[in-house]
Amino acid sequence: GAGVSQSPRYKVTKRGQDVALRCDPISGHVSLYWYRQALGQGPEFLTYFNYEAQQDKSGLPNDRFSAERPEGSISTLTIQRTEQRDSAMYRCASSFPDSTAEQFFGPGTRLTVL
Amino acid sequence: AQSVAQPEDQVNVAEGNPLTVKCTYSVSGNPYLFWYVQYPNRGLQFLLKYITGDNLVKGSYGFEAEFNKSQTSFHLKKPSALVSDSALYFCAVRDRMDSSYKLIFGSGTRLLVRP
Repeated sequence: GAGVSQSPRYKVTKRGQDVALRCDPISGHVSLYWYRQALGQGPEFLTYFNYEAQQDKSGLPNDRFSAERPEGSISTLTIQRTEQRDSAMYRCASSFPDSTAEQFFGPGTRLTVL
Repeated sequence: AQSVAQPEDQVNVAEGNPLTVKCTYSVSGNPYLFWYVQYPNRGLQFLLKYITGDNLVKGSYGFEAEFNKSQTSFHLKKPSALVSDSALYFCAVRDRMDSSYKLIFGSGTRLLVRP
């Protein structure tokens, strides 16, 4: 497709369940990023990949959060044993592997944990 | 530590008037600076960036921004606002000495352009 796609767009889950959020980057974009955005705040960095290698996971809040990109294209962000405080918009972005390159964002997945 | 401040939660301007959305940053090295816009129920869209060179950067939809190193600022401007410019605007920074490509975002400024 022409842009970054994310699925599902909306996810409602019960506390304690695991969720998997998917990101499909722009074709040819080697770098892929995950951010979390709380209501009324700017996006907060979680992790990023170059190809399949996870280059920086310093933003993952705890060990319930993990991400993978096994073939260097589609990425999955997994949250285990979800808690209400995990409720947020999760945004994925992709870019060329250049520190000056702008990132292109997907529409996001709105996660609600009941 | 890197940080971005957008001191105004909301900016109100009349259509046709110039607009400014303020942004200041803090990085240990030299910055790459970005502006993004977010429309309701949409993802963030890239507007413009400062990498090096001319301090005045021109971007999409008639927006521009001026990099001021001494004031550590990167204010977004437009000479004549449109109602359709009403949206949420985010400033972001990356320290060029940081090996990570992550962006640090400000908390956003809501721009409201009244007819």
